Amino acid sequence: GENVEQHPSTLSVQEGDSAVIKCTYSDSASNYFPWYKQELGKRPQLIIDIRSNVGEKKDQRIAVTLNKTAKHFSLHITETQPEDSAVYFCAANLYGNNRLAFGKGNQVVVIP
Amino acid sequence: DAMVIQNPRYQVTQFGKPVTLSCSQTLNHNVMYWYQQKSSQAPKLLFHYYDKDFNNEADTPDNFQSRRPNTSFCFLDIRSPGLGDAAMYLCATSRESSIDEQFFGPGTRLTVL
Repeated sequence: GENVEQHPSTLSVQEGDSAVIKCTYSDSASNYFPWYKQELGKRPQLIIDIRSNVGEKKDQRIAVTLNKTAKHFSLHITETQPEDSAVYFCAANLYGNNRLAFGKGNQVVVIP
Repeated sequence: DAMVIQNPRYQVTQFGKPVTLSCSQTLNHNVMYWYQQKSSQAPKLLFHYYDKDFNNEADTPDNFQSRRPNTSFCFLDIRSPGLGDAAMYLCATSRESSIDEQFFGPGTRLTVL
């Protein structure tokens, strides 16, 4: 199976509501979990990351939670705005090193 | 704020005609990566360099090669492009081989006719 699986594939939310994207991973050695945002025609940009020594990290409207036992991590976006519309990729490093395996991406659409 | 630069942004080649994509960086990062991203799919790591050490992914086809003549530049060579190689090719860099943020370039979209 895939190293990193991401659900749902598309998500539409009303402006101001919260959006949650979930990812699961298979490699027990993974200890770094970044989230990238990719707007149409632009490069992926890191928005938040978490290492395995913490369970949660927050940066303004964005938060990530990690459950190492269950091997899943989630991205939470609160008070969504139209500029949050993009494709979001989760990733996990393979074998505890710098090689990243990406999820298939999630298209988030924020409806004004 | 271009820190990872890819040229050209769009490349058209013919089936079987060798093509080279280039990436340069102003960050002085030790590690450079090449990813292939097909439409509506995740970026897939092809290989990476830690300094001059080349690290190939096990499932990267032999058709794909890479060169890194110095810290700033890295090239992706596709020896005999097939229709299935049409994709966005993303270059990325990171400071060290340990866990570190990867900075992506804008990508080169390759079309194979």
